[in-house]
Amino acid sequence: QPGLTQPPSVSKGLRQTATLTCTGNSNNVGNQGAAWLQQHQGHPPKLLSDRNNNRPSGISERLSASRSGSTASLTITGLQPEDEADYYCSAWDTSLSAWVFGGGTKLTVL
Amino acid sequence: QVQLVESGGTVVQPGGSLRLSCAASGFTFSDYAMHWVRQAPGKGLEWVSFISYDGRHKFYADSVKGRFTISRDNSKNTLSLQMNSLRLEDMGVYYCAKEGNAFDIWGQGTMVTVSS
Repeated sequence: QPGLTQPPSVSKGLRQTATLTCTGNSNNVGNQGAAWLQQHQGHPPKLLSDRNNNRPSGISERLSASRSGSTASLTITGLQPEDEADYYCSAWDTSLSAWVFGGGTKLTVL
Repeated sequence: QVQLVESGGTVVQPGGSLRLSCAASGFTFSDYAMHWVRQAPGKGLEWVSFISYDGRHKFYADSVKGRFTISRDNSKNTLSLQMNSLRLEDMGVYYCAKEGNAFDIWGQGTMVTVSS
């Protein structure tokens, strides 16, 4: 099944700002929004932002999600070593009647 | 606290069957839809299946349609995934996840190994 498109890797320096992108189409991100998940090596994923760009309780205010058309973005300010992880976006696809994930972006904090 | 605990993962031969379970606690299980999501070794996340809060609505990824069956027992706070005709490409960690406007709670996962 077609998925969402994410850049495989992003590298930024400590305390810098990283913006991760997730591109879909009008059947998924464009009208359903996208959720963002973080996964550290060897751990299950953790929700960072729901489809309405809301952060669950306990998620740092340094993270913010937004959407423009069919592209969703996750911005992380003041990068810290613990932000180094894999980041996935996900959306419900109305034409597939299925949830789709992006391939994931590996964020490296230099 | 809110918790999901998967079980049932093991080594199985190609063509074999396996049933995974997910025990939920710390929330009203019968109020929430649930998902199964898998992750092959070294790969990204792949959505597998969804079941509505009452079990009436089910969706499957094309890759498992006709082979996997999702179900739930709200009286036992348990989610299940019956996997038949297993293939090498079904190998990976299987997670159950709660649907609360997104995949808001995840279990630790259970490993399914498909090998002859």
